[in-house]
Amino acid sequence: ETGVTQTPRHLVMGMTNKKSLKCEQHLGHNAMYWYKQSAKKPLELMFVYNFKEQTENNSVPSRFSPECPNSSHLFLHLHTLQPEDSALYLCASSRSTSGRTGELFFGEGSRLTVL
Amino acid sequence: AQTVTQSQPEMSVQEAETVTLSCTYDTSENNYYLFWYKQPPSRQMILVIRQEAYKQQNATENRFSVNFQKAAKSFSLKISDSQLGDTAMYFCAFMKEPGNQFYFGTGTSLTVIP
Repeated sequence: ETGVTQTPRHLVMGMTNKKSLKCEQHLGHNAMYWYKQSAKKPLELMFVYNFKEQTENNSVPSRFSPECPNSSHLFLHLHTLQPEDSALYLCASSRSTSGRTGELFFGEGSRLTVL
Repeated sequence: AQTVTQSQPEMSVQEAETVTLSCTYDTSENNYYLFWYKQPPSRQMILVIRQEAYKQQNATENRFSVNFQKAAKSFSLKISDSQLGDTAMYFCAFMKEPGNQFYFGTGTSLTVIP
């Protein structure tokens, strides 16, 4: 069982659809993150949750809605997306966001295509 | 704000040779961590090596080592005895301590040629 699991791996949706990305970590970590990865750009931090509480929203448009029901699960709800939102969405986890955070552990990503 | 710059979008190296990937960063912080992450074609990003800024000794992990120059804000990755499995995107990252923000570079695509 891998440390951080993301589903689905691939998603194609229209601009009017509503879909969700799911992330699950089996590492006992307390912090979870959503990143957006686009070609030739640095990874963009979207959201951070620490002990289920959102600690960072990096000016992300409201068409992206995160949900963290517990420290092991993280969702990204998608609605009325734009074609420029097509990207690889990476979930990551770490021990916590305070003190010695240590390294990030990443999932394999969800490749999103918005038509 | 912290920025991380990787000036080499693509590099290639012959199998068994040595290659160095460059990374510079800009920060006013004194306590921070630097990382190199590897993202193979299967896409899962994994940690290659980590350096604490307060440590003068360069980190080493088997064939991977770094050249950390704090005053110059430089953090290069050297891969010795390159292997085909080293083919991947390599990302340099900065994290201030304590913190929850990792700042990544744009990545270097490394191809190991048989």
